[in-house]
This record gives sequence, C-alpha cells and structure tokens, in this order.
Amino acid sequence: QQPVQSPQAVILREGEDAVINCSSSKALYSVHWYRQKHGEAPVFLMILLKGGEQKGHDKISASFNEKKQQSSLYLTASQLSYSGTYFCGTDYTGTASKLTFGTGTRLQVTL
Amino acid sequence: GAGVSQSPSNKVTEKGKDVELRCDPISGHTALYWYRQSLGQGLEFLIYFQGNSAPDKSGLPSDRFSAERTGGSVSTLTIQRTQQEDSAVYLCASSLVGGGTEAFFGQGTRLTVV
Repeated sequence: QQPVQSPQAVILREGEDAVINCSSSKALYSVHWYRQKHGEAPVFLMILLKGGEQKGHDKISASFNEKKQQSSLYLTASQLSYSGTYFCGTDYTGTASKLTFGTGTRLQVTL
Repeated sequence: GAGVSQSPSNKVTEKGKDVELRCDPISGHTALYWYRQSLGQGLEFLIYFQGNSAPDKSGLPSDRFSAERTGGSVSTLTIQRTQQEDSAVYLCASSLVGGGTEAFFGQGTRLTVV
C-alpha cells in the first residue's frame, strides 16, 4: 500500500525550514528518502531503520516514528539546491528489495 | 562506467510492437532494480535481481513484461505488444549489496507508445 506524503508541494524562500512527512497504514521496517530534480535520476538521501536513530546529512535530517509508522524529513536553512521532488520509499518486507514509493513532495526554494 | 547507464534514453513505439530497454549497472553491484515512473507519480517497483538468486518479479504488471540479467551484470526489460498505458519512464537502479543499502539510479528510458 502506497505511503502518503504531505505536503504535496511547498514553496520556500532560501533559508527557511521545511518538514516533509511520509505516513504508512502498515508496519514499516525502513524508510528510504530520495530527491529527484526535474529530468534527472533520483538521488539517495538516507535510510531510516525501525528502531534506528535519527539520521542527518548536512542540513537535511530525518526521523522514524515507529508508533505512528511515519517518517519525517527536515530541511533546515534551505538552499536553492534543495529544490526538487522528494520521495519516500517504504519497506514492508524487511528485505528492502522492493520499496513502495509515495507520490512525492515537490519542493521549490526561491530567492 | 561511473554510474548506471540506460539505453535508449527515449523510445517511441507503435502500439502492439515489442520493445527492449537496457540497463548497465555500476560494476560490482550485485543488486539491480527496475522501477516505472508515470507522469506526476512515484516510482512503481517492477523487478529485483540479487546475485544468482531467483528474481523478485512480483511488481511486473502483466505477462507482457519480462526481464533478464545476464552474467550478473547487464539487464534487459522487455515489453511485448506494447499498450498506451505502458508509456512511462523506466528507471533502473543498482546497489552494492541487496536491499537496505543506497541505490544508484540511471537516467531512465522514456517510453512513449503511440
């Protein structure tokens, strides 16, 4: 079952913060976050494992709430380069060989 | 090569024709994935190869779709008797080991069925 991402789209000014949520109605083993710029391939950001710690990558971090079956991606002090569509991929099998992706959150950072 | 390579980058085909899409994964990567992305949608899992294990074909939408991976490297996705609903971007990815690790995506093949 496809996870639900929110918001569907967000526009930020450079330097502002944003949170993107990924919610599942089924139990998750892990959540994988990717960013895709227009016309380009998706690029890996991070993996959150069940029971794992919050991850961070530069000013982008994420958490995994096992009780809520939800992951949140935090973008701090956004930069123009953060623009793109963010996808969460959820693993329901424990093998992460087959991810179910959300429909994406389109993020635009402006000056 | 340095990254995952897919060919062709664009393919326009007539309804009913067969097409073959090729993926060259990163050298040494044992896991290979095919996903499909329709306009404005997320990535839809198609098939997963891991080493010499039997592939996970559970995402293939119909028996018109098939894929193989020769020599643990190059993979070909074949769509027979193409339909308009097959139009999408077909993405291939590879990872060093199995699922649960960072996957590297290719640029994709944009398939248009007319």
